Amino acid sequence: QVQLVESGGGVVQPGRSLRLSCAASGFPFGKYGMHWVRQAPGKGLEWVAVTSSDETYKNCSNSVRGRFTVSRDNAKNTLYLQMNNLRPDDTAVYYCAKKLPGALGATPDSWGQGTLVTVSS
Amino acid sequence: QSALTQPRSVSGSPGQSVTISCTGTSSDVGAYTYVSWYQQHPGKAPKLMIYDVNNRPSGVPHRFSGSKFGNTASLTISGLQDEDEADYYCCSFAGSSSYVFGSGTKVTVL
Repeated sequence: QVQLVESGGGVVQPGRSLRLSCAASGFPFGKYGMHWVRQAPGKGLEWVAVTSSDETYKNCSNSVRGRFTVSRDNAKNTLYLQMNNLRPDDTAVYYCAKKLPGALGATPDSWGQGTLVTVSS
Repeated sequence: QSALTQPRSVSGSPGQSVTISCTGTSSDVGAYTYVSWYQQHPGKAPKLMIYDVNNRPSGVPHRFSGSKFGNTASLTISGLQDEDEADYYCCSFAGSSSYVFGSGTKVTVL
C-alpha cells in the first residue's frame, strides 16, 4: 500500500528558507516520478514541481522557479522540496504525490496528507 | 500558466447525474490525453478518480466517468450519492514537464 508522509512544514519569516521532505513506502520509489502540489488556505490546488524517477528531468511552476528546487534520494526513499526566499503567498499545505506510471506527462495518483507552511513575520 | 476553468459549483439530488466541465487550451487539455480528476473532502488529501481522460482506478465506483472533446474535459457522476459531496479538480499535462490544475468545483448533493 502506497504511503507518503510529508514533514518539515512550519512557520517561517519572509525571505527565509525551508526544506520539506516526503518519506515514501509501499512501492518501488526509485521507479516513479514524483510531484509537489500546494493548496493555499481556502483555495484550489496548484501544481508546484515534478521530478522523474532518476532526476533526469525536473521542472517547477513559473510562480516558484528560481526559488524552489525539487530533488530526491532514492536510497532513502525520500523526496525533497527546498524552498528559498519564501513569500507570504507561498503559505499553503504542501502535498507530495506519486506520478502515475509510464508516460512523461503522467499526472499524480497517490497523495500524502500534506504539511502546512506558513510564511509570516 | 492559468488555471483550467471549472464551474464554481454544481448540484443535484441523490440519484441524478451531474457533469463538471474543465476548459483549457490547445496547449494543455486539447493537446494531451493526460487529464485526471480528483475528489477532495474538507480537510483531506485529494483522491484520484479518473486518469488519462476516461480511466477509472481500481476501487473508484463506476458511476464516475470522464470524457474529452477539444479543449474541454468533463467528469460525470451518474447516480449521485451523499458521499459524492466534495470539491473536484481536473489536472492536465501542459507540455515541457509542466502541469496545470483546474479552479475547482464544489459538488452539492441536495
